[in-house]
Amino acid sequence: NAGVTQTPKFQVLKTGQSMTLQCAQDMNHEYMSWYRQDPGMGLRLIHYSVGAGITDQGEVPNGYNVSRSTTEDFPLRLLSAAPSQTSVYFCASSYSGTGNTIYFGEGSWLTVV
Amino acid sequence: AQSVSQHNHHVILSEAASLELGCNYSYGGTVNLFWYVQYPGQHLQLLLKYFSGDPLVKGIKGFEAEFIKSKFSFNLRKPSVQWSDTAEYFCAVSGTYKYIFGTGTRLKVLA
Repeated sequence: NAGVTQTPKFQVLKTGQSMTLQCAQDMNHEYMSWYRQDPGMGLRLIHYSVGAGITDQGEVPNGYNVSRSTTEDFPLRLLSAAPSQTSVYFCASSYSGTGNTIYFGEGSWLTVV
Repeated sequence: AQSVSQHNHHVILSEAASLELGCNYSYGGTVNLFWYVQYPGQHLQLLLKYFSGDPLVKGIKGFEAEFIKSKFSFNLRKPSVQWSDTAEYFCAVSGTYKYIFGTGTRLKVLA
């Protein structure tokens, strides 16, 4: 059971470039989300999805785009990378409903120069 | 507004010392509360969670947390820490969908 799989693990981008962080889960979870982790700021929710075709914004959505065409996949797109988007990105998933544990991917370290 | 506050940003303890990390939340409606741990270079893993019943919750590796509804708190405790507990600890609250995390507490345990 692979759980939550993120790729790539490390990426360096130039300012203005675009890229997609991939996330896939094999647990048939309805809920998927993307967080960024920055020192002293904890994890901040970027976007989330409660099922295929349904997405919504989190706390820090600007500069990011998501789609959810299947239950398994939830890619995060950086439209025009900026140095402020240098961060560690975590994809997570869980069953919907109350009290469910959220499972995290291994993280993607992104540097924008 | 939904929020989670962790008051201790950095904690340094010697092995065998007792640990208590504070967590307060603001969230309308029924809440579910979690503590996650992130060991150096790794992703977040669940320590324990509360969603109903006994407000004293026991988790893995000897950790426990107490939900005090009147204080909107969910503090994490461990009677005797070990060097291997060095990690970052995150408190989180969720309703039906959104999970909101605190800013984290970095714990360093000195051998």
